[in-house]
Amino acid sequence: SQQGEEDPQALSIQEGENATMNCSYKTSINNLQWYRQNSGRGLVHLILIRSNEREKHSGRLRVTLDTSKKSSSLLITASRAADTASYFCATILGGFQKLVFGTGTRLLVSP
Amino acid sequence: EPEVTQTPSHQVTQMGQEVILRCVPISNHLYFYWYRQILGQKVEFLVSFYNNEISEKSEIFDDQFSVERPDGSNFTLKIRSTKLEDSAMYFCASSEDEWGNQPQHFGDGTRLSIL
Repeated sequence: SQQGEEDPQALSIQEGENATMNCSYKTSINNLQWYRQNSGRGLVHLILIRSNEREKHSGRLRVTLDTSKKSSSLLITASRAADTASYFCATILGGFQKLVFGTGTRLLVSP
Repeated sequence: EPEVTQTPSHQVTQMGQEVILRCVPISNHLYFYWYRQILGQKVEFLVSFYNNEISEKSEIFDDQFSVERPDGSNFTLKIRSTKLEDSAMYFCASSEDEWGNQPQHFGDGTRLSIL
């Protein structure tokens, strides 16, 4: 089993709708981060939530973290066509430096 | 906003040849990383580097791989004798701290194609 599994794998919505992506992980973490990747481009950091935080906001983004369920969700409100991308959660495990990425959710926002 | 830059954007190499991928991390960052993403798969950690030493590496990072910070700005990944399965996007990242309290900032990647 993998550390960091997102669902759904793909999500297709209309502009203006909200998009929710979920991430589950297996082991204790220091923090959890969400990244966006546009096709053929690098990973852009969106938001970091620490293990002692439950919710965090950044603009149209809202991230929640439930350490008891080992899960996180990313909500994008009032989506735009420019939000079309793949979204990944990534965790930092205690004592390590590396990011462990999930499988990603491909979001398509249609005008 | 400062960014991580990688060159080249695309590298095509014959199997068995050496390849060097280059990165310029953000100038005040002290921790450097390489990741790779095989087409359609997850982003995978390769190696982290701090104070001119490898601080952590994955099983993927075998003797064919090496990293170096040859001067004050560049950070390179060398693959000594490339294999077909090395074909992937390679991402460089840098961060201010080592424990993930600050995000890792990624470059746009080098697409490595082994023929």
